[in-house]
Amino acid sequence: GDSVTQMEGPVTLSEEAFLTINCTYTATGYPSLFWYVQYPGEGLQLLLKATKADDKGSNKGFEATYRKETTSFHLEKGSVQVSDSAVYFCAPGQGGSEKLVFGKGTKLTVNP
Amino acid sequence: GAGVSQSPRYKVAKRGQDVALRCDPISGHVSLFWYQQALGQGPEFLTYFQNEAQLDKSGLPSDRFFAERPEGSVSTLKIQRTQQEDSAVYLCASSLGTRKLFFGSGTQLSVL
Repeated sequence: GDSVTQMEGPVTLSEEAFLTINCTYTATGYPSLFWYVQYPGEGLQLLLKATKADDKGSNKGFEATYRKETTSFHLEKGSVQVSDSAVYFCAPGQGGSEKLVFGKGTKLTVNP
Repeated sequence: GAGVSQSPRYKVAKRGQDVALRCDPISGHVSLFWYQQALGQGPEFLTYFQNEAQLDKSGLPSDRFFAERPEGSVSTLKIQRTQQEDSAVYLCASSLGTRKLFFGSGTQLSVL
């Protein structure tokens, strides 16, 4: 079945550092790809998405590019802020349904 | 309300007890999902509704788990004869069918 492998955390960075969280997936066909974020005490929310190969999703300074050849969707941000501290989940969509398969999550802590 | 609402926020059950978890999706959202999130893990898919039809229940771990959405709006996840391994956060999400899922804050179930 479909699966996702996400970089294990926790990740601790200083403010303004560069962030990469790796994500690779196995799936049938070409799924849409998503990153969700869970801030402390809040529900998961969509951060960004990409629906086809070479698409780049972006939001709040975060970016991720759909790499079909490496089945990857790594999340990057050039300069993190304390407010980015959260748990990040990579989630490929499954085939023609809306069902998402979530990674285990990567906890990011950004220190001032 | 403006978001997905879940109740109760916390539930403590004795082993063997039946529990019912409620989800109020965003008004007009046709799709509704239930996920189970164990501590330190990503959400695991349980079941999916489109309006009142349960289209996928492949993630329900046993026949003790049952979900319904009789009028295509509010949904209830019922767990019979709870076991300790059922302890987790149960997440509900809804969408317009666009794969942008809106999550509630979850119900944290503790089975003693």
